[in-house]
Amino acid sequence: SQTIHQWPATLVQPVGSPLSLECTVEGTSNPNLYWYRQAAGRGLQLLFYSVGIGQISSEVPQNLSASRPQDRQFILSSKKLLLSDSGFYLCAWETGGYTEAFFGQGTRLTVV
Amino acid sequence: AQSVTQLGSHVSVSEGALVLLRCNYSSSVPPYLFWYVQYPNQGLQLLLKYTSAATLVKGINGFEAEFKKSETSFHLTKPSAHMSDAAEYFCAVSKIQGAQKLVFGQGTRLTINP
Repeated sequence: SQTIHQWPATLVQPVGSPLSLECTVEGTSNPNLYWYRQAAGRGLQLLFYSVGIGQISSEVPQNLSASRPQDRQFILSSKKLLLSDSGFYLCAWETGGYTEAFFGQGTRLTVV
Repeated sequence: AQSVTQLGSHVSVSEGALVLLRCNYSSSVPPYLFWYVQYPNQGLQLLLKYTSAATLVKGINGFEAEFKKSETSFHLTKPSAHMSDAAEYFCAVSKIQGAQKLVFGQGTRLTINP
């Protein structure tokens, strides 16, 4: 069966520090991968998506970047965190078409 | 471009009462429509999806939604609310091609009163 792992679950980082959040998927190949951010009262905002290794599309300009070094690995990074980067980050995968998207358990990031 | 509007950021109902969560969408192409549920500090779980088959879609936990093209709506209902239904609910839309790129509404927090 397919599973998605996202870590860490919670993270407190100072302003200006770097960030690396990792997401891995098991049990499927060539998934479409997504990073979403959920800010309080603002729904889910799509940050990045990837349809293959090394293929990253950014939906909104921001202080973050994403990479896909392996087929089932998706990494969200920042060189210098801002207070506004605080939020709940969710990784998701799907295989296109009629299939549903499966979400990780999320990472709550607090920038202090 | 696609977008989703959920009317009401908070909905409160009594246990046993009807649950109605509203969702309107806009899409230039026939859409896929989804409802997801999120419990505190967790990821999202699919409740149901519309994929151009039957317009009345039944999902898990007794929820259902009806696709109304003329009204561009996909409202979520449940005849009788249960305490365990308290959560945040998201309506989402995606295109029928390529990566899904789900576009979510702002979410509706459902509270169940005993």
